[in-house]
Amino acid sequence: EDQVTQSPEALRLQEGESSSLNCSYTVSGLRGLFWYRQDPGKGPEFLFTLYSAGEEKEKERLKATLTKKESFLHITAPKPEDSATYLCAVHYGGSQGNLIFGKGTKLSVKP
Amino acid sequence: ETGVTQSPTHLIKTRGQQVTLRCSSQSGHNTVSWYQQALGQGPQFIFQYYREEENGRGNFPPRFSGLQFPNYSSELNVNALELDDSALYLCASSPGGGYGYTFGSGTRLTVV
Repeated sequence: EDQVTQSPEALRLQEGESSSLNCSYTVSGLRGLFWYRQDPGKGPEFLFTLYSAGEEKEKERLKATLTKKESFLHITAPKPEDSATYLCAVHYGGSQGNLIFGKGTKLSVKP
Repeated sequence: ETGVTQSPTHLIKTRGQQVTLRCSSQSGHNTVSWYQQALGQGPQFIFQYYREEENGRGNFPPRFSGLQFPNYSSELNVNALELDDSALYLCASSPGGGYGYTFGSGTRLTVV
């Protein structure tokens, strides 16, 4: 049973077309939910950490939100350079300090 | 402030061989974790070291082993390589407590 599920698996947008990526989790005792961006062949690049339901964080065209069961990464007016795979990960009480990742959402933004 | 650096960037090995991957942690970080990322998948936790002691391990066989040194750099060793070990191996360091994981660019291992 997956503990972290991301949807959709792939998303194609036109430049300027806003959308949202979803990350749902089933772990209990959440200590932190992380969003990373990953370019092909590279390591994940940190975007946000969210710690409690209701928390929101923003960075440029990205906004992350958190509820008790899921997180959303909202992308407003995306540009082609936003194309990447976006990974969600959780750190929880039973994870011994490590991160449990979802499989990611591959975002393509066409000009 | 330097980030997390991994070496080598790419590696090709033959099935049955042994490999050592290296990681230099970000300055001030005393915790290092290793992850395996197969193509099209999210990273999978291998193990974690804190102050030179292993303090967490994922569902990987004993032929995956590691070390952390006093300067908090780390090694991942894999013995008896199998074709399925082909993946991107990522190192992540943090100051501990589940905060501030910083990833390196990874080592792409191909087993033939």
